Amino acid sequence: GQQVMQIPQYQHVQEGEDFTTYCNSSTTLSNIQWYKQRPGGHPVFLIQLVKSGEVKKQKRLTFQFGEAKKNSSLHITATQTTDVGTYFCAGPDGTSYGKLTFGQGTILTVHP
Amino acid sequence: DTAVSQTPKYLVTQMGNDKSIKCEQNLGHDTMYWYKQDSKKFLKIMFSYNNKELIINETVPNRFSPKSPDKAHLNLHINSLELGDSAVYFCASSQTRENIQYFGAGTRLSVL
Repeated sequence: GQQVMQIPQYQHVQEGEDFTTYCNSSTTLSNIQWYKQRPGGHPVFLIQLVKSGEVKKQKRLTFQFGEAKKNSSLHITATQTTDVGTYFCAGPDGTSYGKLTFGQGTILTVHP
Repeated sequence: DTAVSQTPKYLVTQMGNDKSIKCEQNLGHDTMYWYKQDSKKFLKIMFSYNNKELIINETVPNRFSPKSPDKAHLNLHINSLELGDSAVYFCASSQTRENIQYFGAGTRLSVL
């Protein structure tokens, strides 16, 4: 079945440093989504990328979708303590209606 | 007004007991999901209903039984609880063809 791999599993940074998490799918994706889960919270949708090579920005966050639509990345510039949490990528299963396959998540810790 | 609400938020119970978790969404979505999140933050889909019809039923022990009385509600009943059932259970909803998922706050289940 489809697999979505995400690295790294953990990342510790000093406030102000940049952070990147990478996502790779075993199959071509129609779209990829990113979610953020704050400690003790629930996953919250951040963004969806649909087009090959697409790049989208949300303030200090930059999201990319690979040309082959099998990989994606999330880059945070100059991290802040509010960026702490787990970042998940997720892609449609393609076989089961509405099913998303989530990556394992990257747990980001930001030291002040 | 909470979009996807789950009750209870916390559930502490003894092994062997039966318990239920309730979920309601007021977003007008037609698809609802149950996810299990383990201690390593991995999000695993369990079930999905579209307009009250079961469409995703992952490899889950048959002690877990979902019920959707209408498209705004999806409940989860668990029989004969085991230690390994301890996790956070998230309800989510999405609109057909969009599959961007909106999560509830989660139910933290501890089986003693």
